[in-house]
Amino acid sequence: QVQLVESGGGVVQPGRSLRLSCAASGFTFRTYGMHWVRQAPGKGLEWLAVISFDGDNKYYANSVKGRFAISRDNSKHTLYLQMNSLRAGDTAVYFCAKDGAVADHYFDYWGQGTLVTVSS
Amino acid sequence: EIVMTQSPATLSVSPGDRATLSCRASQSVSSNLAWYQQKPGQAPRLLIYDASTRATGISARFSGSGSGTEFTLTISSLQSEDFAVYYCQQYDNWPPRLTFGGGTKVEIK
Repeated sequence: QVQLVESGGGVVQPGRSLRLSCAASGFTFRTYGMHWVRQAPGKGLEWLAVISFDGDNKYYANSVKGRFAISRDNSKHTLYLQMNSLRAGDTAVYFCAKDGAVADHYFDYWGQGTLVTVSS
Repeated sequence: EIVMTQSPATLSVSPGDRATLSCRASQSVSSNLAWYQQKPGQAPRLLIYDASTRATGISARFSGSGSGTEFTLTISSLQSEDFAVYYCQQYDNWPPRLTFGGGTKVEIK
């Protein structure tokens, strides 16, 4: 069965960096686009970034463009999110999610999420 | 950016009743719309994609309709496990700038 397991969250000071990972299993990772979505405490869902199946194409929400970078290692079945210049407003649960179909950006599987807290 | 607006913010429904949730897009998204269910402390779960196609394993109690800018999620007979927050999400634009609605909380009346 499809499994997505995020890791790397924690407490980080403002201005610092953090890298999240998402380990994928149960499907052919190299054939699907992958996403990061976050949810601030008590708030709704915010899409952050997508990476194409081969890693060649990446797109970002304006809120994180230039600070966050999505990447993947298909040999390790792992998705990453490098987060730089973190702010208090980046405090959230971060989910990785899988494209539901080739070139259709809805999310048919989600990880359980990893909490990032930006605080001094 | 395409803005997705869900209404109502909270819906109070008795078990066994029908629930109708609305989602409006600020511009046409064709049928490129998905619905998700989220329970406290859990990840969202895909219910509907392409506006009206049920995801694998989703009960026939859930149905989606609409196209363009107006969409509806209907839960035909609410069960206890259906009380949750529901989000719509559009995936129409290119390059991708995916957006979610603010959510509708379905609570027990």
